[in-house]
Amino acid sequence: AQKVTQAQTEISVVEKEDVTLDCVYETRDTTYYLFWYKQPPSGELVFLIRRNSFDEQNEISGRYSWNFQKSTSSFNFTITASQVVDSAVYFCALSEARYNNNDMRFGAGTRLTVKP
Amino acid sequence: DSGVTQTPKHLITATGQRVTLRCSPRSGDLSVYWYQQSLDQGLQFLIHYYNGEERAKGNILERFSAQQFPDLHSELNLSSLELGDSALYFCASSHRDWSTDTQYFGPGTRLTVL
Repeated sequence: AQKVTQAQTEISVVEKEDVTLDCVYETRDTTYYLFWYKQPPSGELVFLIRRNSFDEQNEISGRYSWNFQKSTSSFNFTITASQVVDSAVYFCALSEARYNNNDMRFGAGTRLTVKP
Repeated sequence: DSGVTQTPKHLITATGQRVTLRCSPRSGDLSVYWYQQSLDQGLQFLIHYYNGEERAKGNILERFSAQQFPDLHSELNLSSLELGDSALYFCASSHRDWSTDTQYFGPGTRLTVL
């Protein structure tokens, strides 16, 4: 069964520190999609990134970067030079293309607090 | 503002009742997704509609149903409500599919079942 594990429940850093949020997934499918979402204190969900299983190229978007490694079934998210506005709950999610009727499963989320 | 609207913002009802949550997608988006977020279950995908047809189904209870209308707005119907159905219900939209397009989320409807 597809499964997403975010082992870090809460992380607290001081502004300007780098921080990595871990995401480990399990799937039996060869075609799947991985996602990261952000939920700031305001409560709305924000889509950050999508990766398909055939594209292991790492991605960088400003201070955000993602490291996808199929060998370790991980899709980790790094924030460089963190800012207070990065404080949020971050969710990793997995969708399998063939199995489970395209269902999407979320991890439990990691609450990141960035202190000034 | 994501462009996705959800009504109502808050809903308080009693066990056994039925409610309807409404979602209007961004202009031009054909897909609508529904999610439930609760303290017990976390964030769960419920269902995806594309241009009026069901495209994917997640962990949606049989007491719940959804549809997408010709004008592309969607409704999520929750019946025989239980205390455990109290949650934040999000709607999202994308142009076609989450495998290719960005999803935009609405502000959510907070449902409280007493």
